[in-house]
Amino acid sequence: GAGVSQSPRYKVTKRGQDVALRCDPISGHVSLYWYRQALGQGPEFLTYFNYEAQQDKSGLPNDRFSAERPEGSISTLTIQRTEQRDSAMYRCASSSGGLAGQETQYFGPGTRLLVL
Amino acid sequence: RKEVEQDPGPFNVPEGATVAFNCTYSNSASQSFFWYRQDCRKEPKLLMSVYSSGNEDGRFTAQLNRASQYISLLIRDSKLSDSATYLCVVNKGYGGATNKLIFGTGTLLAVQP
Repeated sequence: GAGVSQSPRYKVTKRGQDVALRCDPISGHVSLYWYRQALGQGPEFLTYFNYEAQQDKSGLPNDRFSAERPEGSISTLTIQRTEQRDSAMYRCASSSGGLAGQETQYFGPGTRLLVL
Repeated sequence: RKEVEQDPGPFNVPEGATVAFNCTYSNSASQSFFWYRQDCRKEPKLLMSVYSSGNEDGRFTAQLNRASQYISLLIRDSKLSDSATYLCVVNKGYGGATNKLIFGTGTLLAVQP
């Protein structure tokens, strides 16, 4: 079946612009996660949802970052007033929401964001 | 100190070699442990979960030592296709508390012909 999809795959924007990154999880997956990955580093947790409820947003760097999942399926990560330091690969993952802590998270291909 | 620490490598080994990766984690409350594999320019994928009793999947063996807060991955009879970055991953929560995965920086393995 279809895996996690993300769009756009690449986004180039100018400093100060807002960007919206979209994630479409595996059909039926209850939990959805956002990570940021810098070159040569592992993914860094940003936030996660169970259904439409945002369970943990402790990884969001500052209030310019927000995420929503209004209908418990597709999610959008929004970065306002982008800065050059926001440039990174943004990855989304989803899981079935079964035994919490043990379930496999399936990652999407990521959105490469470049802020000029 | 990082929550999950790994030797970044690279580990350059010949085909057929046995290679071991180590990882330490700082939060003793961590409940679940994993190894993920990430190929160049690809997304991370689960390689295997890690249990206290140790677990094996073909050529791969994972071990967890809770007392030392130490996780290992052993790869026997290395193949060219094993070349990738191996990410040590820890989940703090259990039973619905959180699904926050903490990733190490990854260890790069290059298997040479």
